[in-house]
Amino acid sequence: QSVLTQPPSASGTPGQRVTISCSGSSSNIGSNYVYWYQQLPGTAPKLLIYRNNQRPSGVPDRFSGSKSGTSASLAISGLRSEDEADYYCAAWDDSLSGRVVFGGGTKLTVL
Amino acid sequence: QVQLVQSGAEVKKPGASVKVSCKASGYTFTSYYMHWVRQAPGQGLEWMGIINPSGGSTSYAQKFQGRVTMTRDTSTSTVYMELSSLRSEDTAVYYCARVKRGGSYFYYGMDVWGQGTTVTVSS
Repeated sequence: QSVLTQPPSASGTPGQRVTISCSGSSSNIGSNYVYWYQQLPGTAPKLLIYRNNQRPSGVPDRFSGSKSGTSASLAISGLRSEDEADYYCAAWDDSLSGRVVFGGGTKLTVL
Repeated sequence: QVQLVQSGAEVKKPGASVKVSCKASGYTFTSYYMHWVRQAPGQGLEWMGIINPSGGSTSYAQKFQGRVTMTRDTSTSTVYMELSSLRSEDTAVYYCARVKRGGSYFYYGMDVWGQGTTVTVSS
């Protein structure tokens, strides 16, 4: 049972816009930044979005993040076949002496 | 180039311990925290803890308190994660990942990850 809640799956066709939600609580998303990671099959996760809506260099601007209250979203526009991957949200949680918490992950399928 | 290179796969029996290494290169070792995250087969990501290579202070997830020890060797820019009293549920891929110091433990996000180390616990 993950602390952050994500839909287990999402899908879209090439060129479409897809959003993935991430729901938390006041001790994590409500009071801290949200981060998004992309994990391609058999590889380590890759930082996609940091501090709610910032993109590391090299990440296409097709990827964007937003946060409102205790929820956050990742949007992918102009969907491409190479975007098919697992996506995880993460945040710092102030409970239990502080910890990093992750969502359960969303498997994105490009139809 | 910046990279984190982890040690090879391990097979352990229940009750044993495992020590995974993560060697950093291409950046100033003490300028970044190092987190450990694991992923059981077909499952999501689980945070285990963090070490500050500058000084060696640590913070562990409550779930692993008493079973995990994170250390570092600044002479070789290597961090270690040792997990004891292994059980089958500890079978997973273990990752190290760095976060730039200067804010909270997680402020800049885990921007570089190791390739992962598979630990299999089986009798």
